[in-house]
Amino acid sequence: NAGVMQNPRHLVRRRGQEARLRCSPMKGHSHVYWYRQLPEEGLKFMVYLQKENIIDESGMPKERFSAEFPKEGPSILRIQQVVRGDSAAYFCASSPGQPNGYTFGSGTRLTVV
Amino acid sequence: RKEVEQDPGPFNVPEGATVAFNCTYSNSASQSFFWYRQDCRKEPKLLMSVYSSGNEDGRFTAQLNRASQYISLLIRDSKLSDSATYLCAEADGATNKLIFGTGTLLAVQP
Repeated sequence: NAGVMQNPRHLVRRRGQEARLRCSPMKGHSHVYWYRQLPEEGLKFMVYLQKENIIDESGMPKERFSAEFPKEGPSILRIQQVVRGDSAAYFCASSPGQPNGYTFGSGTRLTVV
Repeated sequence: RKEVEQDPGPFNVPEGATVAFNCTYSNSASQSFFWYRQDCRKEPKLLMSVYSSGNEDGRFTAQLNRASQYISLLIRDSKLSDSATYLCAEADGATNKLIFGTGTLLAVQP
């Protein structure tokens, strides 16, 4: 029973490029959460999605960031025109929907050079 | 005021010691709380859920104090392997999104 799978584990992008981060939830989970952890800081909620719907994007920056969770395939967090300040660890978690603590994937570490 | 606050530490304790962390929250309506453990450059891992009655798992005990709006984590007989950052989190009742504190760093020394 695979856990939450994120890829790539490490991603290097030059300023101005696009970054695409993927998250495959645990089997049977239809709720996906994305968090960002800046160096030396805590985890910050970004967005909560269910299949084909964005439920809560209150933590997403207003520009350049978008997320989707299509009917088929993984959830994608897209960052356009990356800047150095986007360098962080991005974690995804999935849940079956009950109010329990959920399991995180191993994260994608984005470095913008 | 931050929604969830923790003392960042570090807490430096000898092996075998008992150590306690507190975490305060501002939303009096919050129902669910959690402690996560995060090792350096790894993902957070769920350590314990914290409900009204509190709970215990081996050397770890979590308590909830609603009157003072804080949760606590007690670690007894500390091991070197307990060294990590401990994150507390409260769950939003409607969406189940977690609001994390910045974490408390624990260093257990031989």
